[in-house]
Amino acid sequence: KNEVEQSPQNLTAQEGEFITINCSYSVGISALHWLQQHPGGGIVSLFMLSSGKKKHGRLIATINIQEKHSSLHITASHPRDSAVYICAAHSGGGADGLTFGKGTHLIIQP
Amino acid sequence: SQTIHQWPATLVQPVGSPLSLECTVEGTSNPNLYWYRQAAGRGLQLLFYSVGIGQISSEVPQNLSASRPQDRQFILSSKKLLLSDSGFYLCAWSAGHYGYTFGSGTRLTVV
Repeated sequence: KNEVEQSPQNLTAQEGEFITINCSYSVGISALHWLQQHPGGGIVSLFMLSSGKKKHGRLIATINIQEKHSSLHITASHPRDSAVYICAAHSGGGADGLTFGKGTHLIIQP
Repeated sequence: SQTIHQWPATLVQPVGSPLSLECTVEGTSNPNLYWYRQAAGRGLQLLFYSVGIGQISSEVPQNLSASRPQDRQFILSSKKLLLSDSGFYLCAWSAGHYGYTFGSGTRLTVV
């Protein structure tokens, strides 16, 4: 069974700082997801990636398949980026679901 | 476009009462459907998944059950809730390798 570890667990930063959240997994995967969970609980899918790098606005996600590691970066962070960021690994085809990290609780202070 | 509806958003139920959470998907057919739970201080954990009508697989033994009466409907139930059933419940669907779409979640508090 895949084990997904995220770091840090909690991160507080000042507005404008560059943020990096890390995710490591133990078993080879077909895809890795980055999710955002706001205080109300709703979850938004940010990225799904299986190699390389993806960018959406101020968010960048990278993955290194050989090292079994992914990072989520936020440039020019803003208080509205405050949320829990979760990585989830998809280990197989179809029905076996995702293995989730415990999440990184990010607070951006103005 | 594909959407997923999950309700209610929040629920407070007494111990011993029944539970029914519903999730429906639009804009796709024969999706894989999932129920996840996030207990306090823990990551999301897969509870049930379904690859078709009437086909339910359970990942962990618990006080809950799931049913899929229609292709795009997935229901999470309990006959008698326990305090330990409190948590955040999330429905999701996928079509194989095309990523996952998540519902908005239900925060259940058992009192």
